[in-house]
Amino acid sequence: GQNIDQPTEMTATEGAIVQINCTYQTSGFNGLFWYQQHAGEAPTFLSYNVLDGLEEKGRFSSFLSRSKGYSYLLLKELQMKDSASYLCAAISNFGNEKLTFGTGTRLTIIP
Amino acid sequence: EPEVTQTPSHQVTQMGQEVILRCVPISNHLYFYWYRQILGQKVEFLVSFYNNEISEKSEIFDDQFSVERPDGSNFTLKIRSTKLEDSAMYFCASSEAGLAGSPYEQYFGPGTRLTVT
Repeated sequence: GQNIDQPTEMTATEGAIVQINCTYQTSGFNGLFWYQQHAGEAPTFLSYNVLDGLEEKGRFSSFLSRSKGYSYLLLKELQMKDSASYLCAAISNFGNEKLTFGTGTRLTIIP
Repeated sequence: EPEVTQTPSHQVTQMGQEVILRCVPISNHLYFYWYRQILGQKVEFLVSFYNNEISEKSEIFDDQFSVERPDGSNFTLKIRSTKLEDSAMYFCASSEAGLAGSPYEQYFGPGTRLTVT
């Protein structure tokens, strides 16, 4: 089965850096995705990791440790528009590409 | 930039009625998916579709559900006899075919909010 855990809520200050952690236990694993979801909207892709290490995309970076079943999303230079839910999702390697999502971390940016 | 589109944006139906949710995936994508999100809960996988057949379905995707690609552009989800607990946001997603073992990002449509009364 699949189990993905991430904090329910976080708060951070505009201009600061925040790290959102995700741990996973999956019967098969082919990669870890991060999506952003504003309230009432669709998830939008941020990044994914297949191999261990850090992937950087502008203000967003994501890290993966397969041996520890651990990932994090790092957001730098926070802006008010970054207030959203951040969804960690694992993809399995059983010949399909379904995403298994965590419950999401609701991030609130304060001035 | 190409995007996944979905219609309608909001569907209200009575319990026991049939609904069809429609999606137009990105044109060069070959994998299609339906997910749902009950209000306040996580996004849940329903079904994946490739090469004109279901490649995987979840426990949620029971006999009340079916999917179809009736032509070269549309991808539909049908719920035959809706229940109150089917009320949710339904997202369609699509992705390119990737190399074996290499996942491709899934692009999500804006969703259809289904309300069953």
